[in-house]
Amino acid sequence: GNSVTQMEGPVTLSEEAFLTINCTYTATGYPSLFWYVQYPGEGLQLLLKATKADDKGSNKGFEATYRKETTSFHLEKGSVQVSDSAVYFCALSENTGGFKTIFGAGTRLFVKA
Amino acid sequence: ETGVTQTPRHLVMGMTNKKSLKCEQHLGHNAMYWYKQSAKKPLELMFVYSLEERVENNSVPSRFSPECPNSSHLFLHLHTLQPEDSALYLCASSQKGPSTDTQYFGPGTRLTVL
Repeated sequence: GNSVTQMEGPVTLSEEAFLTINCTYTATGYPSLFWYVQYPGEGLQLLLKATKADDKGSNKGFEATYRKETTSFHLEKGSVQVSDSAVYFCALSENTGGFKTIFGAGTRLFVKA
Repeated sequence: ETGVTQTPRHLVMGMTNKKSLKCEQHLGHNAMYWYKQSAKKPLELMFVYSLEERVENNSVPSRFSPECPNSSHLFLHLHTLQPEDSALYLCASSQKGPSTDTQYFGPGTRLTVL
């Protein structure tokens, strides 16, 4: 079945450090890939997405590239801020008209000033 | 503000109580979802409604009963819950239902079952 695996947290970084959160997936067909972010006390919100191979999603300085050959969708940011502290979820959904989105377990990021 | 509201934000209930969670979306979407988020576990999809018809029910115990009276409102009725049901319950909506669409989440209801 379909699945998403992301690196375990927590990840602790100093402000302005480079961030990578790894995400790999298994899926039949050609899924769409997402990164969602959950700030403390809030629900999830979409950070970025990519719908086909080699697409790059980007938002708020975060980027992720859909790599079909390595079945990966790693999240990166060049310089993190304290306000980026949150839980990040990688997710996929198949383009088959179904309703299920598969979420990874989430990676908690702490950014220290 | 994502356009999806949930009430109450916090709920404490005993195992014999009956309560309901409410979700409302102001985005004109036609699919709505209930998820359960427990500590150290992946997000669990519970129910999906598309055009007010239930299209997904992931082996959820019958003590959870969803209701979707129209495309803007979704309820989760709770009765005789167990302590292990304590979790954050998230509602979400999307535009067309097909899973390629972005889901918009509410802030969640933090449920504690005593």
